[in-house]
This record gives sequence, C-alpha cells and structure tokens, in this order.
Amino acid sequence: SQQGEEDPQALSIQEGENATMNCSYKTSINNLQWYRQNSGRGLVHLILIRSNEREKHSGRLRVTLDTSKKSSSLLITASRAADTASYFCATDAYGIQGAQKLVFGQGTRLTINP
Amino acid sequence: GAGVSQSPSNKVTEKGKDVELRCDPISGHTALYWYRQRLGQGLEFLIYFQGNSAPDKSGLPSDRFSAERTGESVSTLTIQRTQQEDSAVYLCASSLTGRGVYGYTFGSGTRLTVV
Repeated sequence: SQQGEEDPQALSIQEGENATMNCSYKTSINNLQWYRQNSGRGLVHLILIRSNEREKHSGRLRVTLDTSKKSSSLLITASRAADTASYFCATDAYGIQGAQKLVFGQGTRLTINP
Repeated sequence: GAGVSQSPSNKVTEKGKDVELRCDPISGHTALYWYRQRLGQGLEFLIYFQGNSAPDKSGLPSDRFSAERTGESVSTLTIQRTQQEDSAVYLCASSLTGRGVYGYTFGSGTRLTVV
C-alpha cells in the first residue's frame, strides 16, 4: 500500500522559476525522504528529514515537514533543465522484527522548460 | 563496490520462462531491498533483507516470486513462470543499516519485458 502521496502528479515550469512539490502521508513516521529519478531507472537520494525537524536545506533544495498535518514539501529554487525528473517522497514503515522499509508515493513528474 | 550494481540491465523473456535478477549491494551495507516499478508508477516494495535476520517478504505478489541473499552480499530475485504483468523495472537498493536513519542507494534497475 502507498503511504506517501505526491501532489501535483505533473508540474511544468520555466527555467529559473521555483518548483514546489507536496507529499502527504497517513501514519506516524520517524523520517521522510525525497528521491529523484531520471529516465525511469535508479533513484537518487536527495534529502532526509527527521520527524523532530521542521525544515532542512541542501543547496537549492528546501524541505519542510509538518507532522501535525502529515505533510511535507520539496522546493527547488532557480530551476534548471537538469532538474527535469520524477520526484518521490518516501516514509519509513516497520515490517517484521521491527525492520524498517521505505514506502514510496507515486511521484511528481517535473519538467523544466528552457 | 562504489555503487549498487544490477544485472542484467535489460531482459526480454518469453511468457512462462523463469528469470533471475542479480543485485550487488555496496560493500558493508547490511540492508538490501527489492522494489518493482511499473511504467509511470511509483515503487512497489517486494522484499527486504537485514543482516542475518529473516527477510521481510510481505511485498512479494505471488509464490512465483522468491529472493535470496548470501550473508551481506549478493542477492538474486527469481521470478518463475513469468507473466506479461511481471513486465516492469526491478530496482535494488542497499542501506548502511536497516534502522531508517540513512538513505537508500539504488542500482540502475533491470528492465524486464515478458513477451
């Protein structure tokens, strides 16, 4: 079952503009992570935010987390053509023996137009 | 190795045949995960290995799917009697621990096409 749900499903903006993607989830989490996927192959880890953090920055990326609303947002500032990709949020879920696994949303397809 | 390696990168097989997909995790990573991604969809969790603990197989869609891992190294995902619905990209990821405090490193995936 999917835990995180991204919104919007697709986003198209001009190069240089900021892109904002949102993620909502259903159950309590320990952390939330964002990943990027180019061309439908391997995902690249972008940033991890813990449940006791509200905001985190990494270069042009800014992630916020609101545990009361069970939501997170990913902001990419000054977008570039190379940012064109699908972006996924993932939340941790506990399986057998307390082992942790990530549950991914459906993703947001971001297109940066030159 | 430097990253997670998966082989083959592409596999075309006939319906009803068995296939074996391989994943070499990053050396020292105790946790290994298999996911499936159908075209335009999100990632579906399949199975998770953590050290010598019993694997979490809760995501395997049917008994045609199985996976093994030798210690903390190579893992193989086997699909028996493949069906067209099995066509997807199969992604492997590893993590330093299974405690959820580190991100995952993904391989480039195996694109499986069942014809």
